Amino acid sequence: DSGVTQTPKHLITATGQRVTLRCSPRSGDLSVYWYQQSLDQGLQFLIQYYNGEERAKGNILERFSAQQFPDLHSELNLSSLELGDSALYFCASSVDGGTFYEQYFGPGTRLTVT
Amino acid sequence: GQQLNQSPQSMFIQEGEDVSMNCTSSSIFNTWLWYKQEPGEGPVLLIALYKAGELTSNGRLTAQFGITRKDSFLNISASIPSDVGIYFCAGQLSYGNKLVFGAGTILRVKS
Repeated sequence: DSGVTQTPKHLITATGQRVTLRCSPRSGDLSVYWYQQSLDQGLQFLIQYYNGEERAKGNILERFSAQQFPDLHSELNLSSLELGDSALYFCASSVDGGTFYEQYFGPGTRLTVT
Repeated sequence: GQQLNQSPQSMFIQEGEDVSMNCTSSSIFNTWLWYKQEPGEGPVLLIALYKAGELTSNGRLTAQFGITRKDSFLNISASIPSDVGIYFCAGQLSYGNKLVFGAGTILRVKS
């Protein structure tokens, strides 16, 4: 158990819909990262928040957005969903905002868009 | 963008055998990490390396940070069935940069 929690574990929705994925970091960690893992793309970094502020952006689509709240939990919002958005979405956390190392991953949310 | 070339893509070995896998890049990294992912789970950090030439062990796992800083190696000795999973390398170019992940090595063990 990494100490990072993610909900829900599974999500099935239709194209065009909007969903919200939630992540709680390990106690004491200030940074939250979001990743997308699909069969053909591997593990892709989407976005990082550090202590409530966006710190780094990766391959995140404009239809996707995220935020980190004062209690440090984070939400990833995915809108206008397409079939290709079906993937595993992981949240990771770390103490530091700049080093990126020693990220601890949550169990993931499996999103299926039908 | 930066890419990590991880090899082999997959391995199917006999229980008890040693395993070697590696990651290479054309870029210089200042941090290398190795993760293991089991089906339905998130990646779990196995070993972190911070200095060129560093050799670090975690039980039967040993990883090395290449002296050129462009590669890293992971060895697993005396493999057992629970070693099955996907092993990812990840590197960070410098402070403040995102992690770049390799495509993974799928390890299967015959008992």
